[in-house]
Amino acid sequence: GIQVEQSPPDLILQEGANSTLRCNFSDSVNNLQWFHQNPWGQLINLFYIPSGTKQNGRLSATTVATERYSLLYISSSQTTDSGVYFCAVAYNQGGKLIFGQGTELSVKP
Amino acid sequence: DAMVIQNPRYQVTQFGKPVTLSCSQTLNHNVMYWYQQKSSQAPKLLFHYYDKDFNNEADTPDNFQSRRPNTSFCFLDIRSPGLGDAAMYLCATRQREGSYNEQFFGPGTRLTVL
Repeated sequence: GIQVEQSPPDLILQEGANSTLRCNFSDSVNNLQWFHQNPWGQLINLFYIPSGTKQNGRLSATTVATERYSLLYISSSQTTDSGVYFCAVAYNQGGKLIFGQGTELSVKP
Repeated sequence: DAMVIQNPRYQVTQFGKPVTLSCSQTLNHNVMYWYQQKSSQAPKLLFHYYDKDFNNEADTPDNFQSRRPNTSFCFLDIRSPGLGDAAMYLCATRQREGSYNEQFFGPGTRLTVL
């Protein structure tokens, strides 16, 4: 089956710093989503981005489908950005999402 | 606002005592999913419904069942919870048509088994 790898597994930042999270996947996909899991466990949709580039405030994402990777950029990080960031992909009509293992981000004041 | 709702948010049950988790949606999506997320792990799909068609993952234990009585509601039944079933259970929905495949998640139900 398709493999999804995220890096780095952990990241500690000072407030105001920028960061880049990476997601590699092993096969063609028809869905790629980035999520932020908050401390209460809810998965917040950040981006639906099977290809191309999107921006939403301080966050942006790029997926290069032909090279099978996606990047999530966080600029001017805030303590509220802390949590786990998941990349997830799907590759068939059923839509089953295969999640990476996540990047745990900690932003210090 | 259109959304995915899960009840209860926290559920405590005893070892072996059946429990039912609920998911409802106002998005009118035709696909509903149940994912299980154990501590410090990624979510993992248990099963999904496309309309009334049930699709079970091969490695989902028989202890887990699901019902979808109508478009809006989907239930997860755990017949005899074990300690290993303690987890966050996440419901998600998607509209399966065309090429747009985004999934939307509810807030989850955190299950504790005593």
